[in-house]
Amino acid sequence: EAGVTQFPSHSVIEKGQTVTLRCDPISGHDNLYWYRRVMGKEIKFLLHFVKESKQDESGMPNNRFLAERTGGTYSTLKVQPAELEDSGVYFCASSRTGLWTEAFFGQGTRLTVV
Amino acid sequence: AQTVTQSQPEMSVQEAETVTLSCTYDTSENNYYLFWYKQPPSRQMILVIRQEAYKQQNATENRFSVNFQKAAKSFSLKISDSQLGDTAMYFCAFMKSLNSGNTPLVFGKGTRLSVIA
Repeated sequence: EAGVTQFPSHSVIEKGQTVTLRCDPISGHDNLYWYRRVMGKEIKFLLHFVKESKQDESGMPNNRFLAERTGGTYSTLKVQPAELEDSGVYFCASSRTGLWTEAFFGQGTRLTVV
Repeated sequence: AQTVTQSQPEMSVQEAETVTLSCTYDTSENNYYLFWYKQPPSRQMILVIRQEAYKQQNATENRFSVNFQKAAKSFSLKISDSQLGDTAMYFCAFMKSLNSGNTPLVFGKGTRLSVIA
């Protein structure tokens, strides 16, 4: 079984540019989460999809961030326009539906905004 | 809101020795889960161990065990017989328990553990 896959693994962009991160969850996992870790700080929740619907987007920092999950499969997280404080590692995780099910994480995308 | 605190940014341990990583949390919830995740260098985060708050018995997974003190809101991880492959970033995490299913994880800042040969 393939794990959670994230693309790209690294991205360096200039302030003001647009970047799109992609996450392919484990097949059959309805739950998909995005998290972000800024250097030296906690991993923070961004949002949660159940299939194609946004269940909770309370962690999205501002309207420069747009997440989609077309057809309930892969998800994208677009940052437009990127700012210096958006730098960090963006993690995606997926899990099955259930009272409690283990969340499987991708390797993360390291985003550097210069 | 829930918070998770890991007070040890870095730790080291000799191979074959035992090490304990600390974690405290703050919540007003009564039903929740606690986790330790491990992220080896350049690899994805994996679940090490899970504890349900309603269970008094401490969880154990092979060389990994926890000391769960609900009243003190403490959840430490003990690694016995440390191996070089245990070198990683360790994150303590909290999750509310809802009948409707999973809720987002709340993480601590992490503890970087180095196992020395």
